Amino acid sequence: DVVMTQTPVSLSVSLGGQVSISCRSSQSLVHNNGNTYLSWYLQKPGQSPQLLIYKVSNRFSGISDRFSGSGSGTDFTLKISRVEPDDLGVYYCGQGTQYPYTFGAGTKLELK
Amino acid sequence: EVQLVESGGGLVQPGRSMKLSCAASGFTFSNYGMAWVRQAPTKGLEWVATISYDGSSTYYRDSVKGRFTISRDNAKSTLYLQMNSLRSEDTATYYCTRALLGIPFAYWGQGTLVTVSS
Repeated sequence: DVVMTQTPVSLSVSLGGQVSISCRSSQSLVHNNGNTYLSWYLQKPGQSPQLLIYKVSNRFSGISDRFSGSGSGTDFTLKISRVEPDDLGVYYCGQGTQYPYTFGAGTKLELK
Repeated sequence: EVQLVESGGGLVQPGRSMKLSCAASGFTFSNYGMAWVRQAPTKGLEWVATISYDGSSTYYRDSVKGRFTISRDNAKSTLYLQMNSLRSEDTATYYCTRALLGIPFAYWGQGTLVTVSS
């Protein structure tokens, strides 16, 4: 199975600040078709997860450009700029390149 | 607007069965792959099973293989998860998800809680 390792486990940020979350996979996430199926999700308190970023760097419909994804192969990063109160929650990276699909353990974003 | 509404969760004894449903609306259900993802209390996300748009292909995580069956009724726009021989470690909120352009979990339902306990 592909192991997804997220760091840090938690992050404290001031409103308006910028943060980065790292996600590393134990194997390359490049699919045979050339795509890299690495996604980022946010689970706000008491809510279902929502898709933020797909295929490494593509923002999902309605997602603010304050969210950006980058990386390749096994090393990926989510950056959040100008943090707002609605950004708080747990962020997960996930891979959809090979079965079983797997997720990172999550990074909790809190206010400083 | 894509809507996924799960139902069928609740308290069940170990070894018993339960069937979850997910009613889909706001899109052409028969065009999309679907999946179940679960989240144990205070834990992270865990993929459970996936089914192709036409039901011809299914995939399961090892821990549920042989016990869980994912299926769909495209005429009713409904996804199912039949869960047999339930164990305490299956206790979780189960989310119904829809794929998009190869992204397995583009849309999520609100989840339904399954508690396996005597």
